[in-house]
Amino acid sequence: SQTIHQWPATLVQPVGSPLSLECTVEGTSNPNLYWYRQAAGRGLQLLFYSVGIGQISSEVPQNLSASRPQDRQFILSSKKLLLSDSGFYLCAWRKSERKETQYFGPGTRLLVL
Amino acid sequence: RKEVEQDPGPFNVPEGATVAFNCTYSNSASQSFFWYRQDCRKEPKLLMSVYSSGNEDGRFTAQLNRASQYISLLIRDSKLSDSATYLCVVNPPSTSGGYQKVTFGIGTKLQVIP
Repeated sequence: SQTIHQWPATLVQPVGSPLSLECTVEGTSNPNLYWYRQAAGRGLQLLFYSVGIGQISSEVPQNLSASRPQDRQFILSSKKLLLSDSGFYLCAWRKSERKETQYFGPGTRLLVL
Repeated sequence: RKEVEQDPGPFNVPEGATVAFNCTYSNSASQSFFWYRQDCRKEPKLLMSVYSSGNEDGRFTAQLNRASQYISLLIRDSKLSDSATYLCVVNPPSTSGGYQKVTFGIGTKLQVIP
C-alpha cells in the first residue's frame, strides 16, 4: 500500500529564516505530487505541482519554491520566510491516470514569528 | 464564477438529524468527483467518490447531478463524530501536457450537537 510522509510535523521559525519541508511517497512510482497551503480557517491553496522529476509548476507567485530531486520526493523551500508564510502545509500525491483522486500527508504546521 | 463553490457553513445539527451539503462546479466537462473529510488541524481524508448513479456508504450518500452541475453529500443519523469540515473535489478535463489540476471546494463545516 502507498504511504506519504511529511516532516517536520510542527515548525516555528523567525521571519527571514530559510525553510525546507520534505515529503516522500512510498509504494508507488511516477506519482503526481502537490504542495498546498491552508491558512487558519481557509480553504486549500495549491502552491506547486509536479508530474515528474525536475518538473515543477507554480500556481501562484510567492516567496516559496519547490523541487523534485527524486521520483518520490518533493521539497518545499524558502530563502527568507515572511509572516504571511504561516500556515498548514500539505503534500499530496496522486496516480497519474485520469479520474484518480489525491491522498494527503499529515501536514506541517508552520508558524513564522 | 468559482470553479467549485460550497457553503462554508457552519451547519449546526442535533445528533440523529439528517444533513445535506451541496457543491456546484463550473466546468461541465469535469470528469470525476469526490468528498473529503477534514478534522480540525488534520489533513483531508477521502470520504467517498461520487458516481453518476449515486452511491451509498453506510449513513453517507453521494450524488451527482451533471445537468445542474452539482454534487451532494447526505449524512443520515448524524453522530457527534461526524463533526468536521467536508470538502468537495472536482477533477476537470486534462489540460495540454496531460496535467490534471484537482480543484477543492473551501469546505462546509459541520457541527453535530448533543
